[in-house]
Amino acid sequence: DTGVSQDPRHKITKRGQNVTFRCDPISEHNRLYWYRQTLGQGPEFLTYFQNEAQLEKSRLLSDRFSAERPKGSFSTLEIQRTEQGDSAMYLCASTGLHPGNEQFFGPGTRLTVL
Amino acid sequence: GIQVEQSPPDLILQEGANSTLRCNFSDSVNNLQWFHQNPWGQLINLFYIPSGTKQNGRLSATTVATERYSLLYISSSQTTDSGVYFCAGTGNNRLAFGKGNQVVVIP
Repeated sequence: DTGVSQDPRHKITKRGQNVTFRCDPISEHNRLYWYRQTLGQGPEFLTYFQNEAQLEKSRLLSDRFSAERPKGSFSTLEIQRTEQGDSAMYLCASTGLHPGNEQFFGPGTRLTVL
Repeated sequence: GIQVEQSPPDLILQEGANSTLRCNFSDSVNNLQWFHQNPWGQLINLFYIPSGTKQNGRLSATTVATERYSLLYISSSQTTDSGVYFCAGTGNNRLAFGKGNQVVVIP
């Protein structure tokens, strides 16, 4: 077991472009979370999946953001028409089925929008 | 949603000193975790501690769930302890994070 992995680790894009990030959770984990962290702040919840079902979305997740977990394994987070305000670290975490279980985080994808 | 307050926001320590970081929650949580964020941004799990006390080497943590706070103790601090420490709690599946404690340990 290699833990949670994320790809790419860094992404630089121009405003208006679309970007897609991938997260591979710990293999036996059913729940997968996306968080966003801006400079000087703690991570903020974006959305989470239980298996392939997206169960909750934060109001931070505008309609330019979409997340999928098609087979209940890896997940993708896409940002369309990126804006400079989207520049942040995007973190993925996974945990087991039971609510309240310990979450484990990946290394993150650092997005810079020019 | 749950509000998390961490104190002190910034702390400078002489190597070898002890320190205590505190985390207060606005509501009850059913999961509480402490993390250390490394310079590359990854969150490293330190403790999963919904209640009680745990120790791991020079670090220990105590959570008093009924009073909605948790403490992280760093003893005999080393320069490698520098970084940002986050506490986070789950009320409804999602983790709510504080703004972190920025710790600098000077030799």
